[in-house]
Formats: sequence, structure tokens, C-alpha cells
Amino acid sequence: EAQVTQNPRYLITVTGKKLTVTCSQNMNHEYMSWYRQDPGLGLRQIYYSMNVEVTDKGDVPEGYKVSRKEKRNFPLILESPSPNQTSLYFCASSLKGGINSYEQYFGPGTRLTVT
Amino acid sequence: GENVEQHPSTLSVQEGDSAVIKCTYSDSASNYFPWYKQELGKGPQLIIDIRSNVGEKKDQRIAVTLNKTAKHFSLHITETQPEDSAVYFCAARGSQGNLIFGKGTKLSVKP
Repeated sequence: EAQVTQNPRYLITVTGKKLTVTCSQNMNHEYMSWYRQDPGLGLRQIYYSMNVEVTDKGDVPEGYKVSRKEKRNFPLILESPSPNQTSLYFCASSLKGGINSYEQYFGPGTRLTVT
Repeated sequence: GENVEQHPSTLSVQEGDSAVIKCTYSDSASNYFPWYKQELGKGPQLIIDIRSNVGEKKDQRIAVTLNKTAKHFSLHITETQPEDSAVYFCAARGSQGNLIFGKGTKLSVKP
């Protein structure tokens, strides 16, 4: 089944403890992206990747890191999480990015709580 | 910066009635406008999209209209059913090719 998977689905952690949220897609998509969703703010892009080894900042990149060593994986890293990073996170992928980009497929989401 | 405004933020309709959600965008170069439906506990899922060379697109009970001159587009759902209850997001493709999302509309369809 073609899909985007994220792990973990739920995570409660403490301030300053490094964490990684994994994202994987099995559709051979070039483009991958991370969003956070907060009440009243909609979906805001954190980072995106046009292809392997190519990553760029979205609208709200502060406090996050990403890497794209393989086409299928795009982990989101929080080196020192803070309570304002408590949010619902979505990974998405599409066949290609850029001005002729295709439909984005979203993962099921990761609910992160930082205390 | 690039921006997408979405209204209303909440919408309640009776089953069988129509629902309309409206969005406006700021970047006149935007050429792709998808609509996503997000059910509780799930990720957004594309339900319909429209490109700038088309004024209207229909898929069964769902239709989207685009007015490029006014820079706004709308989602129309006819004969609403309880399973249409969800959060709906509009989006516009920005100059970098990324999607810029509206803040969402929570649609409730009452039986």
C-alpha cells in the first residue's frame, strides 16, 4: 500500500531532551516536507526537501533540523525541544516539488508534548 | 509574504444542505489550488484540486471554483452528509512551489 508513515504517533518528553521523529514513504517520491499544525494557525511548513541531500527551510524552521540521506526517509530532529514545540506534526511527500509540483500525500501525524 | 485567507473558521449545516468555504490568496503567480479534508486523528487528504487554466471543476458532490482576477477560490459541497464533517484546508502553490495553507474550516453536518 502506498503510504507515508511516521513514528512515533505520540510522544511526551521533557525540555532539552533530543528527539527524532521518523518519516518514510514507499512511493519513490522526490519531494518531502514537514509541517506543524496548531489550533487556529493551520499547517505551517517547517522544512522541505526537493531530493536526496537537498533540504531547505520552510516558514517556521527555528529549533528543528532535518536530513535526507535516502530518498524514502526524512527524519525531523529536535536537538533541544522546548514547550513551544508542543504540536501536531505531519510529514508529506509528492512525486516532485517546485512550480510543477504534484499532489502531496500526508502521514498520519505525530502528536508531541514537551513539558 | 505569501498568504492564504480562509473563511469561515467554523461552519454548521443541516444534512442535505450545501456548504461553501472561501479562500483568497495573495500571490498572483499561484497556479495550483488543492483542497484537503482532515478527519479526526488523521492526516489531511486531497479531495479536489484546480489549476489556474480552469474556472471550475466538479467531482460528484464536490466542486471548486476559481476566480483568478479576484484571487479567490471556493469549495462547494452539495447534499451534505454526516461523513462530510471534518476540517477542510485550502492551499495555494507559492512562488517556491511550496503549498501555503489556509487556517482551516471545521465543518459540522447535523443529521
